[in-house]
Amino acid sequence: AQSVTQLDSHVSVSEGTPVLLRCNYSSSYSPSLFWYVQHPNKGLQLLLKYTSAATLVKGINGFEAEFKKSETSFHLTKPSAHMSDAAEYFCVVSYSGGYQKVTFGTGTKLQVIP
Amino acid sequence: SAVISQKPSRDICQRGTSLTIQCQVDSQVTMMFWYRQQPGQSLTLIATANQGSEATYESGFVIDKFPISRPNLTFSTLTVSNMSPEDSSIYLCSVEGDRGQMDTQYFGPGTRLTVL
Repeated sequence: AQSVTQLDSHVSVSEGTPVLLRCNYSSSYSPSLFWYVQHPNKGLQLLLKYTSAATLVKGINGFEAEFKKSETSFHLTKPSAHMSDAAEYFCVVSYSGGYQKVTFGTGTKLQVIP
Repeated sequence: SAVISQKPSRDICQRGTSLTIQCQVDSQVTMMFWYRQQPGQSLTLIATANQGSEATYESGFVIDKFPISRPNLTFSTLTVSNMSPEDSSIYLCSVEGDRGQMDTQYFGPGTRLTVL
């Protein structure tokens, strides 16, 4: 069984300040972990993914995430928020063992204040 | 990554009618997935559609309500049958990545359905 918990449903930051979106997971297997972003009235875009290579993963638009097995976390960060980062972010855990099983977190809505 | 399109992008339907959503991919893929995103909620997997076999439905979803077709490796349809206002959601299709990225899913733009 696998699950993912996004600890904050809403995060508000000022433009130019750091962003931290928290995600914890549980999985019986070695998981793949992803962050997707969904801008208003748009589809989901893959930001980055972790698949047992480097624990610090760099994604698009300056985002990165660090896989910490001891903490079962995969938090998403960005050093400096931009207005265009305002969107909803989903943490996702996936296991491919015969067939793909994907579990989405409940999402974190990021607000960026000018 | 694959380019995925969906039709229609949005629709407003009357209670009791059915709507068929199309998903087209620009490359051949083995597995396609259909998700529902209810207002203000996360995504829930409805079913997995493999070409040449019946779709596999997740708990809480049944074929009579959400029949799926997968006639070839680049196309799938999801029908929302006998709709009620509770079916108002965004419906998204996704595909797995290419060989070497099969653990990654890529999503279409979604179909925003409103049922009156």
